[in-house]
Amino acid sequence: GQSLEQPSEVTAVEGAIVQINCTYQTSGFYGLSWYQQHDGGAPTFLSYNGLDGLEETGRFSSFLSRSDSYGYLLLQELQMKDSASYFCAVRNTGRRALTFGSGTRLQVQP
Amino acid sequence: DGGITQSPKYLFRKEGQNVTLSCEQNLNHDAMYWYRQDPGQGLRLIYYSQIVNDFQKGDIAEGYSVSREKKESFPLTVTSAQKNPTAFYLCASSRGGRDEQFFGPGTRLTVL
Repeated sequence: GQSLEQPSEVTAVEGAIVQINCTYQTSGFYGLSWYQQHDGGAPTFLSYNGLDGLEETGRFSSFLSRSDSYGYLLLQELQMKDSASYFCAVRNTGRRALTFGSGTRLQVQP
Repeated sequence: DGGITQSPKYLFRKEGQNVTLSCEQNLNHDAMYWYRQDPGQGLRLIYYSQIVNDFQKGDIAEGYSVSREKKESFPLTVTSAQKNPTAFYLCASSRGGRDEQFFGPGTRLTVL
């Protein structure tokens, strides 16, 4: 089976930097993705890492270490609108579908 | 505009009744997915389909059924066999098996 672990809640202040970690256990690992979901809304895709290293997209960056089965999402210059839940998700080679973590609720304070 | 639509947004049903949730996409995506989300939880995969007339069970398929007769449509039926059907249901699609999935707005089902 597959399992992912991420912190349930993170709090940070506007303008700060926050890192949301994700560790996973899966056989035949293919890639790690990150999604954002505002309360009552639909998840939206943020980033994908298939190889080790850092992927940067504007204020958001995502990192993967396949040898450590670990990744993180880095949010810089936090804004109030970044308050949302963030989910990591993995795909393995045996199934062409994602398995999501339980999510990290980020609260950005003024 | 391309996108995914789900209807209705809110749905109420009596216990013991089957109910079908609609999901339509005009993104020309081959793959479609159904997820269930309970309050404060992640998304759990119910069923997925990579091509028309083919679908696979996800992690929590019991009590649910799907069909994929057209590329654009992937309806989900919540049957009376599903013991705790009250939840937020999300449909998604992707190009092939890519990890970037596009989600519909969701249907919030309440069984009374």
